[in-house]
Amino acid sequence: LAKTTQPISMDSYEGQEVNITCSHNNIATNDYITWYQQFPSQGPRFIIQGYKTKVTNEVASLFIPADRKSSTLSLPRVSLSDTAVYYCLGVQTGANNLFFGTGTRLTVIP
Amino acid sequence: DSGVTQTPKHLITATGQRVTLRCSPRSGDLSVYWYQQSLDQGLQFLIQYYNGEERAKGNILERFSAQQFPDLHSELNLSSLELGDSALYFCASSVAGAASLGGEQFFGPGTRLTVL
Repeated sequence: LAKTTQPISMDSYEGQEVNITCSHNNIATNDYITWYQQFPSQGPRFIIQGYKTKVTNEVASLFIPADRKSSTLSLPRVSLSDTAVYYCLGVQTGANNLFFGTGTRLTVIP
Repeated sequence: DSGVTQTPKHLITATGQRVTLRCSPRSGDLSVYWYQQSLDQGLQFLIQYYNGEERAKGNILERFSAQQFPDLHSELNLSSLELGDSALYFCASSVAGAASLGGEQFFGPGTRLTVL
């Protein structure tokens, strides 16, 4: 099964770079790795998606090693508004199933 | 605003009852996903529909069913409700087709179901 595991929580000071790693075994070679952000009482919001190596957009970077058994979401210079829960999403195409990780609660401290 | 709408926002009902949750995807999106989020189980994928057809199935109970209509809106039916079914139910949509599971999904605001 394509399960995903993440750290339960992380704290960071404002202005620092935060890296959150997700382990996802058995991910298929042609499946994307996706990360979402969720604020309390809201639906998750797409952050970034990648297939291999490194992807960067205006809010984050995503690093995926060659074996694709993990991925790291990097948030540069976090602010208080980045306090949220971050989820990685694993896809098991063969079994037609999706697995969200348990989520990492990021708390940004002033 | 993601462009995905869900109704109702809140629903309170009793055990044994049946409820229907409704989702309208973003304009142009053919895929609809349903998720359940509870405190002890996190975000659980239930089911996906693509252009009216069931595309993928996750941890959906037999008491739950869904469908996607020709106008692409979707309904999730929950029956014989139990206390443990109390949760937030999210709908998401994406443009991804049948060949792609997952992809960038746009989530609605959710329906909070409370079973008493």
